[in-house]
Amino acid sequence: AQSVTQPDIHITVSEGASLELRCNYSYGATPYLFWYVQSPGQGLQLLLKYFSGDTLVQGIKGFEAEFKRSQSSFNLRKPSVHWSDAAEYFCAVVPGNTGFQKLVFGTGTRLLVSP
Amino acid sequence: DAGITQSPRHKVTETGTPVTLRCHQTENHRYMYWYRQDPGHGLRLIHYSYGVKDTDKGEVSDGYSVSRSKTEDFLLTLESATSSQTSVYFCAISEPTGGYTFGSGTRLTVV
Repeated sequence: AQSVTQPDIHITVSEGASLELRCNYSYGATPYLFWYVQSPGQGLQLLLKYFSGDTLVQGIKGFEAEFKRSQSSFNLRKPSVHWSDAAEYFCAVVPGNTGFQKLVFGTGTRLLVSP
Repeated sequence: DAGITQSPRHKVTETGTPVTLRCHQTENHRYMYWYRQDPGHGLRLIHYSYGVKDTDKGEVSDGYSVSRSKTEDFLLTLESATSSQTSVYFCAISEPTGGYTFGSGTRLTVV
């Protein structure tokens, strides 16, 4: 079945350490790719998106993501995590072959930041 | 960013009662969406609209209906609320640049 997979439900990272959150998709055509962040009780904020071109995408708050077509992945990275980065992160995809712009979400990864 | 307002922000209702959630946008965007968010499921699409009076079902549409009589308003109705519809509901719009903007959400509790 076509889907978006975030294999890590929870991740704990020490403050100042690097972070990588994984996202894989199973759509045949190259999709549009997004990462969103959600703080507790809040809405979703767009971190970055990839449509085409350079496969390394820079986003807000010091985040970046790399599209790897061969691995059907779009992993999110940050070189040094801050305590304020603790939140839930969602990978989302617009499948490239849909007739309209339907955004499909992964199940999310909750990031905990330890002192 | 497009202005999206959801109302109400919180609602508690009884099983079997009808409930309507409202999404209002100020930017005249064509596409609007209703998602529900539940732990372990991420966000799942309930219904979407691609224009006034043009709507279609998403992956979890059972028990929900929608209406869009004006470009700026997209209403989600639970015809007869059930406890399984306790959730956080998000409205979204998609912009011509390809981005998506979400409202602040409505937390609905069905008791």
